[in-house]
Amino acid sequence: GAVVSQHPSRVICKSGTSVKIECRSLDFQATTMFWYRQFPKQSLMLMATSNEGSKATYEQGVEKDKFLINHASLTLSTLTVTSAHPEDSSFYICSASEPGTTEQYFGPGTRLTVT
Amino acid sequence: QKEVEQDPGPLSVPEGAIVSLNCTYSNSAFQYFMWYRQYSRKGPELLMYTYSSGNKEDGRFTAQVDKSSKYISLFIRDSQPSDSATYLCAMTPGGYQKVTFGTGTKLQVIP
Repeated sequence: GAVVSQHPSRVICKSGTSVKIECRSLDFQATTMFWYRQFPKQSLMLMATSNEGSKATYEQGVEKDKFLINHASLTLSTLTVTSAHPEDSSFYICSASEPGTTEQYFGPGTRLTVT
Repeated sequence: QKEVEQDPGPLSVPEGAIVSLNCTYSNSAFQYFMWYRQYSRKGPELLMYTYSSGNKEDGRFTAQVDKSSKYISLFIRDSQPSDSATYLCAMTPGGYQKVTFGTGTKLQVIP
């Protein structure tokens, strides 16, 4: 199956600072990537759909000015959590689909802790 | 009512047992169905993918879809302790439309 990587795997930051998370498709080009958030013992919550070369599509209730998404190339999408607060602490996971397919392949996730 | 319903478990079985994991859904537009396995603190791993009613087998795993009843299942034969994880069902109408996930069922296989 397709391989998706994420960096960093874990990050701790202070309240008020910004954190950038990278998502890369390693062996295929992904025109569309997805960003999810997962709280402990809960399922995945789609935050936004990232399209290469265009603005991301955010789900209802997700602040686009707080969660900045950039999909600058066919293999890289970034999520920047701006002015992070403790309530932003969560597990952030990205996924990508190979062109013309429906199934999504997930990265290993990034655990963000805001102190 | 949630679009996708999945029993959260936990489900505890002895090693070697046959495991049955299930999801029901309400949106008849869903045409593509997936099962993911997620180990603690890791990203989900795609196990099975199917788009037609009936059974699809891959090793010890069998995915079953019944579109008329809006019901999907994942069977695991000869379960192993390494199968202990949370299993998520997922489905989508297709194309680039959003994938909707179940809440996940936590499975524990006891040696």
